[in-house]
Amino acid sequence: KAGVTQTPRYLIKTRGQQVTLSCSPISGHRSVSWYQQTPGQGLQFLFEYFSETQRNKGNFPGRFSGRQFSNSRSEMNVSTLELGDSALYLCASSLSGQGAGNQPQHFGDGTRLSIL
Amino acid sequence: TQLLEQSPQFLSIQEGENLTVYCNSSSVFSSLQWYRQEPGEGPVLLVTVVTGGEVKKLKRLTFQFGDARKDSSLHITAAQPGDTGLYLCAGEGNDMCFGAGTRLTVKP
Repeated sequence: KAGVTQTPRYLIKTRGQQVTLSCSPISGHRSVSWYQQTPGQGLQFLFEYFSETQRNKGNFPGRFSGRQFSNSRSEMNVSTLELGDSALYLCASSLSGQGAGNQPQHFGDGTRLSIL
Repeated sequence: TQLLEQSPQFLSIQEGENLTVYCNSSSVFSSLQWYRQEPGEGPVLLVTVVTGGEVKKLKRLTFQFGDARKDSSLHITAAQPGDTGLYLCAGEGNDMCFGAGTRLTVKP
């Protein structure tokens, strides 16, 4: 069974640009969550999508947005990039998502975003 | 807002030693997961505990969920260099909440 696939693995952008990251969940998983991981802050929850609807949202500015398609694939967009957006962005999928109880998340290997 | 405090933040030990990592919260979780993450990769699920007081063993790793489902511990017996990595606990409530992680280094 294929795992969670994130593309691209590495990305270099400059301040002010925008970026789109992609996540393909495990087949059959309908929930996709996005996280930002930095050495100082650890894993910070961005948002969760389930059946093409955003179900939960963390404490990030509106520059961070996402969407989910009918095949459960998800994209995350960050506009007007700032130096502080440099991080590993992780996507995780699960069957029914957060709050459903005993729904372990399976992570992709992330996209390493560097802002120059 | 749910918070998970993980300790210690860093741990460096010799091969063969035992260690325990703690994950504490004032919130009650419906389940708690432990993950291990290696450089350049995403976290990999080790175990999920669901019932208060539950103990699960995975070879040399023992996981315990507190009776009140607010805390958990991970105990590693006779640590090996292959155990080196970042260990993360995550509590499931209305959303997922991650601890800051314990970076474990096991020296040969």
